[in-house]
Amino acid sequence: RKEVEQDPGPFNVPEGATVAFNCTYSNSASQSFFWYRQDCRKEPKLLMSVYSSGNEDGRFTAQLNRASQYISLLIRDSKLSDSATYLCVVNTGNQFYFGTGTSLTVIP
Amino acid sequence: GAGVSQSPSNKVTEKGKDVELRCDPISGHTALYWYRQRLGQGLEFLIYFQGNSAPDKSGLPSDRFSAERTGESVSTLTIQRTQQEDSAVYLCASSLGGLAGFQETQYFGPGTRLLVL
Repeated sequence: RKEVEQDPGPFNVPEGATVAFNCTYSNSASQSFFWYRQDCRKEPKLLMSVYSSGNEDGRFTAQLNRASQYISLLIRDSKLSDSATYLCVVNTGNQFYFGTGTSLTVIP
Repeated sequence: GAGVSQSPSNKVTEKGKDVELRCDPISGHTALYWYRQRLGQGLEFLIYFQGNSAPDKSGLPSDRFSAERTGESVSTLTIQRTQQEDSAVYLCASSLGGLAGFQETQYFGPGTRLLVL
């Protein structure tokens, strides 16, 4: 079983739409959680950490459900510049486990 | 401040040759990671260093791959007798490492694009 599983998409949404990505992880001992963004032919960049109480950064909201071992990312009012691959990342001990990513294209 | 740097940014080599890829982590980061990403695919973990030791080498795909780190700083990933299937982007990341209870964050370098002809 994979450590981190994500729906690969692709998600194609119109500008202004709200879109949600989900991710599940297998190890209940996992300690910290992140969403990264990867643009085409670029390295992954940290979008936001995910805290137990949930957290928001502008149009982006991340949620963590430890009981269900589930992480989500909500993007409101999608912009063309949000088009990218979104990677769910779980830290267990000193090891980071990456999902395969969810592809998002925001359409004009 | 300076981020993670990698060199070369691009490398084209002939099948059978050896290549060496370099990573300079963020100063003070004790943990360093190597990943491979083939075109259109996810990140594949290769190896992790804590300080100069590598507690987890489980991701190295074959004995042609090796890595070392010196001075708790620079790391090199060496691929011997390269094969065409080694063509990929090799990404290095670093994090503060080893601090229990701290929300670890990885920072990535720009990667080395390797093409084996």
